[in-house]
Amino acid sequence: EEQLVESGGGLVQPGRSLRLSCAASGFTFDDYAMHWVRQAPGKGLEWVSYISWNSGSLGYAESVKGRFTISRDNAKNFLYLQMNSLRAEDTALYYCAKDTSSGGYNWFDPWGQGTLVTVSS
Amino acid sequence: QSVLTQPPSVSGAPGQRVTISCTGSSSNIGVGYDVHWYQQLPGTAPKLLIFGNTNRPSGVPDRFSGSKSGTSASLAITGLQAEDEADYYCQSYDGSLSGSVFGTGTKVTVL
Repeated sequence: EEQLVESGGGLVQPGRSLRLSCAASGFTFDDYAMHWVRQAPGKGLEWVSYISWNSGSLGYAESVKGRFTISRDNAKNFLYLQMNSLRAEDTALYYCAKDTSSGGYNWFDPWGQGTLVTVSS
Repeated sequence: QSVLTQPPSVSGAPGQRVTISCTGSSSNIGVGYDVHWYQQLPGTAPKLLIFGNTNRPSGVPDRFSGSKSGTSASLAITGLQAEDEADYYCQSYDGSLSGSVFGTGTKVTVL
């Protein structure tokens, strides 16, 4: 069974940093692109970032460009999101999701259960 | 800021048919990128419902169907059931933004 488990969320002050992790299992991790998607409390889904199978292609939403960095470790089957200069508006449940292509252009399946990031003083 | 527009809510009685629209533009749906749909039950992660505009993953009831035309797509639920009460999101790729985009989301209420 394909499974994604996020970790690393928590309460952080504005301007500080946080690193999210996503452990993948049940599929050949380095065959697929991966994404981060977030959902602010009571709001809709917002795509955050993607990384291609070999890290050769990356993409970011305008709202996080220059502050967040996506990366992956194919040897360990892990996806990461380094979040710097955090703002109150970054408060959300962060999901990792597997793309069904290697390049990051397809649909997302499966999704993890999410990890909550709260940015507040 | 969502690039794909959906109605905030739709409702119907059990057994009825409801449709959810997803309106994009010439940089995403209109240029030929596929549309996918997700169902999010309360307190859970989104789950893939329709992929590649019209295809259902294994296990998704055939009450759910998708279509696409021009710069828009639609999700139809026929024979509405109480368990279908959830939030639904469309998703596509946007060439101008060089990334994926989601719809604004639609809450389906079963009366």
